[in-house]
Amino acid sequence: AQSVTQPDIHITVSEGASLELRCNYSYGATPYLFWYVQSPGQGLQLLLKYFSGDTLVQGIKGFEAEFKRSQSSFNLRKPSVHWSDAAEYFCAVGRRERGGADGLTFGKGTHLIIQP
Amino acid sequence: EAGVAQSPRYKIIEKRQSVAFWCNPISGHATLYWYQQILGQGPKLLIQFQNNGVVDDSQLPKDRFSAERLKGVDSTLKIQPAKLEDSAVYLCASSLSAGTNTEAFFGQGTRLTVV
Repeated sequence: AQSVTQPDIHITVSEGASLELRCNYSYGATPYLFWYVQSPGQGLQLLLKYFSGDTLVQGIKGFEAEFKRSQSSFNLRKPSVHWSDAAEYFCAVGRRERGGADGLTFGKGTHLIIQP
Repeated sequence: EAGVAQSPRYKIIEKRQSVAFWCNPISGHATLYWYQQILGQGPKLLIQFQNNGVVDDSQLPKDRFSAERLKGVDSTLKIQPAKLEDSAVYLCASSLSAGTNTEAFFGQGTRLTVV
């Protein structure tokens, strides 16, 4: 069975500083990978996804992520954070044999705090 | 384009009572999912429908949880009887189909508190 580990429960970053959120996955083949963001009281919004091809994926709101097969990682990055980026971030893996959106397994999330 | 609609937004019930949640997916989306998100954790898939058929319900506690998707559009998730550990946000999501390069769109969720 697949699994996702987000090692950092909380991360505090100063506004304007760079950000990297870590995600490691366990899956028997090349997975489908996703990053979602969740603001308080809101549903999940997709930031970006990796299905195949270029391992550096660009997403919305200036986010990017890099798939590294050798490290089983899919870390999320942003060069300069804004106060509005404060939220919960979830990494998720989808089973390749069932398609991109099927049976997503989520990590426990990383809570991002932005300091002024 | 309207998003995934869920109701109610909040529900408080006593343990052993029953509760139902409703979801209206994005128009034309064949696949519908119910996820349970316990505080401090990521969402966990409970059940996945393709049109009105169940694709995956391996993590659904079938002794107390049930779900249906009549006519392949709206869906309801029911808990009967509820336990304290069922307190969570129940998220509904939909996608065009269960194929490659599709993404799931999530509703705002229903926050259930069991007291």
